[in-house]
Formats: sequence, C-alpha cells, structure tokens
Amino acid sequence: DTEVTQTPKHLVMGMTNKKSLKCEQHMGHRAMYWYKQKAKKPPELMFVYSYEKLSINESVPSRFSPECPNSSLLNLHLHALQPEDSALYLCASSQDSHVVGETQYFGPGTRLLVL
Amino acid sequence: QQPVQSPQAVILREGEDAVINCSSSKALYSVHWYRQKHGEAPVFLMILLKGGEQKGHEKISASFNEKKQQSSLYLTASQLSYSGTYFCGTEKNSGYALNFGKGTSLLVTP
Repeated sequence: DTEVTQTPKHLVMGMTNKKSLKCEQHMGHRAMYWYKQKAKKPPELMFVYSYEKLSINESVPSRFSPECPNSSLLNLHLHALQPEDSALYLCASSQDSHVVGETQYFGPGTRLLVL
Repeated sequence: QQPVQSPQAVILREGEDAVINCSSSKALYSVHWYRQKHGEAPVFLMILLKGGEQKGHEKISASFNEKKQQSSLYLTASQLSYSGTYFCGTEKNSGYALNFGKGTSLLVTP
C-alpha cells in the first residue's frame, strides 16, 4: 500500500477563518512533507518533518502552521490566509528524508480557495 | 536552484516517441521523475542516482549524465494514458526534499 490520504479534498475559507488540512499515511514512513502548487506550476516545498520533528521550513509565512502529532499524521493549520494562498496543497511522505534517492509518495491534495 | 526542463510542451500521436530533458547548474545526487494529470497528485515514475542506480517502473526508461548534471526521460510507443505534465525533481544534497522543474506538458492524441 503506497497511499497517502488527505482531507478535505476541497476547502473554501474566508480570510478570517481558521481551518486545518490533514494528511495520513500508514506506510511506516518517517518523513512527511507539505507542498503548495499553483495552477500550471510545479509543487513548491513548504515544510519537511523528519521523525515527527520539523526539519525544514522554507520561509513560509506564519499564517501556515504545520503539526505532526505522530508518525502517521501531518496537519497544516491555516489562519488569516490571503486570496493568493489559494492553491493545491499536497502532502507527501518518504521512508526517510535523510537518505538520497528516497521515493516521495504524494497524496491527492486539498484544493484551497481563499475568498 | 530549480532544474530546467525542455521542451515546455510536446504533442504526440499515439505510438510516437518523446524525450524530456532536465538539467541543473548544481551538482546532483539524484533526479526524480513524476507525472501529474490534471487535478491529480504527482505519480512517481523513476529515480536515478549517482553511480547509475535506477528505481522505477519497468516500462519507463531514463538516463542520468552525472558530469553534465542532466537527465532525460524516454517515452517510447506513447499511449493516450501518457498525457500529463512531467516534472523532474532534484535533491540538492543528501537529506533534502525535492526541487521541481517547471514541467513538460505532454499530450498524446489518437
């Protein structure tokens, strides 16, 4: 099983709302990632968690707050977002983030619209 | 440093071949190839590592020229299902996530 699941599939929120995106994998992977993808653009790395600890933050604004409650779950808490934050948010996982050549498996994404 | 992909777009007839290229100005440890269909997640195709190791689907072939920091993905006898956007991703160094190129849009027509 190489499945990464994400909920919700779609999310519409106002600029004053607080919402969360969820990601789950049961492959025993110890590295999990958040990417942001705008239309017709490649995925852009936001955060990397390795062994449940935040190891990389790509200078993401604080209105995005990641959380890794356990090795299978990854959340992205959203607060006071801007319309330009509308995008597809992809979660991925890999066996490890510190080994060259690890395959990253992507979830289906959450399509976010900020009004 | 974002890898550079070429061509940006290609249209094929079913059964034709295509080559998609990916290059970087920085030393590479590995090159990852993904295909993404509209509205779907990127799907892993292949990883090419320094030293010649490859991991991926049997029907996909690719090359990695370590000296030139280039990789090419070879799509032979294309099928309609090959349509999508192909991304190459590079690891800048050991222990880092992927930096994707801008993508190559491939359309296979009947």
